[in-house]
Amino acid sequence: EAQVTQNPRYLITVTGKKLTVTCSQNMNHEYMSWYRQDPGLGLRQIYYSMNVEVTDKGDVPEGYKVSRKEKRNFPLILESPSPNQTSLYFCASGPFQRPMEKLFFGSGTQLSVL
Amino acid sequence: GENVEQHPSTLSVQEGDSAVIKCTYSDSASNYFPWYKQELGKRPQLIIDIRSNVGEKKDQRIAVTLNKTAKHFSLHITETQPEDSAVYFCAASNTGTASKLTFGTGTRLQVTL
Repeated sequence: EAQVTQNPRYLITVTGKKLTVTCSQNMNHEYMSWYRQDPGLGLRQIYYSMNVEVTDKGDVPEGYKVSRKEKRNFPLILESPSPNQTSLYFCASGPFQRPMEKLFFGSGTQLSVL
Repeated sequence: GENVEQHPSTLSVQEGDSAVIKCTYSDSASNYFPWYKQELGKRPQLIIDIRSNVGEKKDQRIAVTLNKTAKHFSLHITETQPEDSAVYFCAASNTGTASKLTFGTGTRLQVTL
């Protein structure tokens, strides 16, 4: 079954404690991306990757890091989380050709930073 | 960059009535416009999309229209049912650059009995 798997599903942490949200896809997709969803703001792109070892900033990259060492994985790293990073996070993947038209979303990670 | 505005933010309709959600975009280079439905606690799911070379597309009870000149596109749901209750997002993208979807702020649709 084609899927994008995010872990964990829920996470509560404290300010400053480094955390990683994992994202893995089994569709051999070149494109992967992270979005955050906040009430009244829709989904906003954090980072994206067009292929292995290629990453670039989205609209709201401050306070986040990513890496793309393998094609299937695209972890989101918060080195020093702050309360304003409390949000619902979605990972998405898509094929090289027209990725936006075949975007697969993960199930989401609800993060609370206290 | 692209900016997508979406209205209304909330919409309540009676079962069987029609619902219309409207979006405007700013970048004339955008050529792909999907609509996503998000049920509570779930991921966004693509329900219909339209490309800039088409003015209207229909799939059973849902339809999308696009006015490229005015940079408007709309989602129409007819004969609404309780299971249509969800948050709906419009989005826009330039498939030539293809780095992201720019989303609207969402519309919470409630279908009442």
